[in-house]
Amino acid sequence: DVKVTQSSRYLVKRTGEKVFLECVQDMDHENMFWYRQDPGLGLRLIYFSYDVKMKEKGDIPEGYSVSREKKERFSLILESASTNQTSMYLCASTRAGQGAGEQYFGPGTRLTVT
Amino acid sequence: GQQLNQSPQSMFIQEGEDVSMNCTSSSIFNTWLWYKQEPGEGPVLLIALYKAGELTSNGRLTAQFGITRKDSFLNISASIPSDVGIYFCAGVPPTTASKLTFGTGTRLQVTL
Repeated sequence: DVKVTQSSRYLVKRTGEKVFLECVQDMDHENMFWYRQDPGLGLRLIYFSYDVKMKEKGDIPEGYSVSREKKERFSLILESASTNQTSMYLCASTRAGQGAGEQYFGPGTRLTVT
Repeated sequence: GQQLNQSPQSMFIQEGEDVSMNCTSSSIFNTWLWYKQEPGEGPVLLIALYKAGELTSNGRLTAQFGITRKDSFLNISASIPSDVGIYFCAGVPPTTASKLTFGTGTRLQVTL
C-alpha cells in the first residue's frame, strides 16, 4: 500500500512565525504535491515537484515556498504565517508515466494561525 | 484554477439505497478519478478510469468514463453508514501529466 505521511495532524502557530510542514512518501514516487483545502473553495494546488530539487508553482503559491532535497520528502514552508493561511494542508504523491494521475494523499495537517 | 462541476452538492439517503453522482467539464480529460474524503482525513482514491467509455467497479462502487471524455459518473449500490463522506471527482487534462483538476464534491449522508 502507498503510504503518505505528514509530520503533524494539528498545528497551532502565531502570526509571523515560520512554519514547516513535512511530507514523506514510501513508494518511490517521482511527483509530489501540496494543496490547501478550504470550505467552499475545494482543493487548491500550492506547489508541486517532478523531481528532487525541482519545483513548480501551482495556483496559489504566494506566501509559501517548498523544498525537495530527497525523493521521498517534500516540505512546505510558510515564511511568515498569517491568519489567512489557516487551513487544511494536504500532501500527495504519484508516480511518473502510466498512472501518473493517481495521486495518493496524506492524512492532512490542520493549521491554525492565531 | 478550474473546478469540475459535480452534482449533486449533497445527498441524504437511507441505508440500502443506491447513489448516483456525476462530474462534468467543458473540456476533455485523459483520466478520471474518484476520491472519498472522511472528516478530518485526506482523500482516498476509489477508482481510476483511463479510456473513454470505460466502466470500472470496486466492490459496491462503479464508475464510468464518459464517451465524450467530458464527464464521469459514480454509482454506489446498497449504501451503508460507512459510505458517509465527501466524494470528489478529479480529471487529468491532456496538457498535464499528473496535475489534477478537482470537482466541487458531493457530500453524502446515510441514515439508518
